[in-house]
Amino acid sequence: NAGVMQNPRHLVRRRGQEARLRCSPMKGHSHVYWYRQLPEEGLKFMVYLQKENIIDESGMPKERFSAEFPKEGPSILRIQQVVRGDSAAYFCASSPGAGGRTEQFFGPGTRLTVL
Amino acid sequence: GEDVEQSLFLSVREGDSSVINCTYTDSSSTYLYWYKQEPGAGLQLLTYIFSNMDMKQDQRLTVLLNKKDKHLSLRIADTQTGDSAIYFCAERPGANNLFFGTGTRLTVIP
Repeated sequence: NAGVMQNPRHLVRRRGQEARLRCSPMKGHSHVYWYRQLPEEGLKFMVYLQKENIIDESGMPKERFSAEFPKEGPSILRIQQVVRGDSAAYFCASSPGAGGRTEQFFGPGTRLTVL
Repeated sequence: GEDVEQSLFLSVREGDSSVINCTYTDSSSTYLYWYKQEPGAGLQLLTYIFSNMDMKQDQRLTVLLNKKDKHLSLRIADTQTGDSAIYFCAERPGANNLFFGTGTRLTVIP
C-alpha cells in the first residue's frame, strides 16, 4: 500500500505565476489535510477536505489560495499569483476517517520556491 | 487560539537519554502527539497519548503528560545517531486539524 504521494517534490515559480500542488492520499483514505511549513517553523493547518467537499478552510489565506479534492484524482492546492512569502514546504496528510484517534499519514511534501 | 511551544535545539551524546519538552494551551485536546521529521522528508507519527493518561511507554520512547501544567515530554532512551531529526509535538483540540509546535532539532553526537 503506497503512502501519501505528493508531486512535484520541488517547484520553482517566479512571482506572479501559478503553483499547483498535487496530493494523492493513501488507498482507502477519503480525508485530506494540507499544512504549510515556513522555514524554521512548525506546520500550520490550511484546509481539510473530504471527497468533493471543503470541511474546514480556517487556515487558508483569504486570497490567491484554493483547494479541491475531486471525486476522481488527487487533491490540488492552487496558489495564484505567487509571492516570495509563499515559499515554504507544503505537506498533505490523509486519514481514513475523522476524529482524534485517527492517525494522519503525511506525504513527503512539496517545497515551493518563489523567485 | 492554540499555542504549542518547544525549545528549538537539543544535543545529546550517543547512548544518553534525550528529553524533549512541549507546552500546549488547549486543555480540551483529547490526544497529544509526537512526530519525527527527518531531513527532506514528511512527518512520521512516533507515538500519541490520550489525555486521561499520565504516561505511555513504547520501546525506547516514554511520553509523560502533566495535564494540570499542560506539559508534554518525550524521552528517548539510549539515543542513537539515527534519532537525529526534528521532533514536533502536536495537539488536536477538535476532530480535524493538528496544531504543531515549532519543533525541536535533536542532534546526537557520536
